Amino acid sequence: GQQVMQIPQYQHVQEGEDFTTYCNSSTTLSNIQWYKQRPGGHPVFLIQLVKSGEVKKQKRLTFQFGEAKKNSSLHITATQTTDVGTYFCADVTPLVFGKGTRLSVIA
Amino acid sequence: DTAVSQTPKYLVTQMGNDKSIKCEQNLGHDTMYWYKQDSKKFLKIMFSYNNKELIINETVPNRFSPKSPDKAHLNLHINSLELGDSAVYFCASSQAEGGRGAKNIQYFGAGTRLSVL
Repeated sequence: GQQVMQIPQYQHVQEGEDFTTYCNSSTTLSNIQWYKQRPGGHPVFLIQLVKSGEVKKQKRLTFQFGEAKKNSSLHITATQTTDVGTYFCADVTPLVFGKGTRLSVIA
Repeated sequence: DTAVSQTPKYLVTQMGNDKSIKCEQNLGHDTMYWYKQDSKKFLKIMFSYNNKELIINETVPNRFSPKSPDKAHLNLHINSLELGDSAVYFCASSQAEGGRGAKNIQYFGAGTRLSVL
């Protein structure tokens, strides 16, 4: 079946450093969604990308969709302790989640 | 009001038992899902229901059976529980399944942590 590969699996950063997680697929992605799960919490929707080459920003978070719609990235500028959690990407059709990137931020 | 609520929050049981987890959404959504999240945080979709019809059923053992009495509820029944069933189970809903637009955004419940001893 279709797989959505997400890297890295873990990332530890000092507060204030930048962070990026990548989502890749061998097949064309339909739409890509990003979710955040805080420790002990549940996944919460962040954003959806639909168009090839699309870039969206939410404050310190920048989301990109590759030109070929086979990859996507989430970049966080100047991480804060509130960014701690696991970030998941998901292809919408068919519905497949990446394995997530667990972000730790050291104050 | 909680949009997607699932009960119980914690479930501790012995191997071989049968248990159920309930899920209700008050968002008026047409599609509901069950996910299993293991200790490595991998999120695997188990089932989805659209208007009371099963539309996705991944390689899940038939000991797991979803039951949807109406489109606002999707319960998960598990027979003959095994140690490997220990995980967090999330219920979710979306306005629709697949396609473009905001209709496929998923809203998750708080999760049920199942421990099989």
